[in-house]
Amino acid sequence: AQSVTQLGSHVSVSEGALVLLRCNYSSSVPPYLFWYVQYPNQGLQLLLKYTSAATLVKGINGFEAEFKKSETSFHLTKPSAHMSDAAEYFCAVSRTGGGNKLTFGTGTQLKVEL
Amino acid sequence: DAGITQSPRHKVTETGTPVTLRCHQTENHRYMYWYRQDPGHGLRLIHYSYGVKDTDKGEVSDGYSVSRSKTEDFLLTLESATSSQTSVYFCASRQDSTDTQYFGPGTRLTVL
Repeated sequence: AQSVTQLGSHVSVSEGALVLLRCNYSSSVPPYLFWYVQYPNQGLQLLLKYTSAATLVKGINGFEAEFKKSETSFHLTKPSAHMSDAAEYFCAVSRTGGGNKLTFGTGTQLKVEL
Repeated sequence: DAGITQSPRHKVTETGTPVTLRCHQTENHRYMYWYRQDPGHGLRLIHYSYGVKDTDKGEVSDGYSVSRSKTEDFLLTLESATSSQTSVYFCASRQDSTDTQYFGPGTRLTVL
């Protein structure tokens, strides 16, 4: 079984401040991990993914995430928030085989304030 | 990104009526998925398909059926819609070479 926990359903930061969105996973086999972003009334867009290569993964729009096996974490960061980063962010885990199904966290709504 | 479209984009229907949602992809992806999104739950898998006529249940499959007669099309049917099926439905297809799912724009379904 696999699961994802996203700590904090709402996160608020000031423009220019560090963005940190937390994700912890549980998986019985080496996982693949993903961050998706959803802007209002839109579908999900892939930000970045970890598939057992480099532990520090860089994605689009200046985001990056670090896979830490010892902490079972895959936190999403961005050094300087921009107003356009306001959206909902989802962490997800999958594994090869078994339909390659994604299990999502419940999402974190990011608000960026002036 | 994969070319995934969903139809209709919005639908309002009444309890007890059948509803079919369509997902169409142009990338020849083998795997396709249907999810529902509800506040506080994230996205939950309803059904998925691993090839033409090959489908399997997901986490929340009760009250839903699917069909896949062509690689490019994956249909989700609510045989008799209930108010608890009011949700936003997303389709996705998986690119084998990158192990990545790409999502459609969603269908907002309201069951009155």
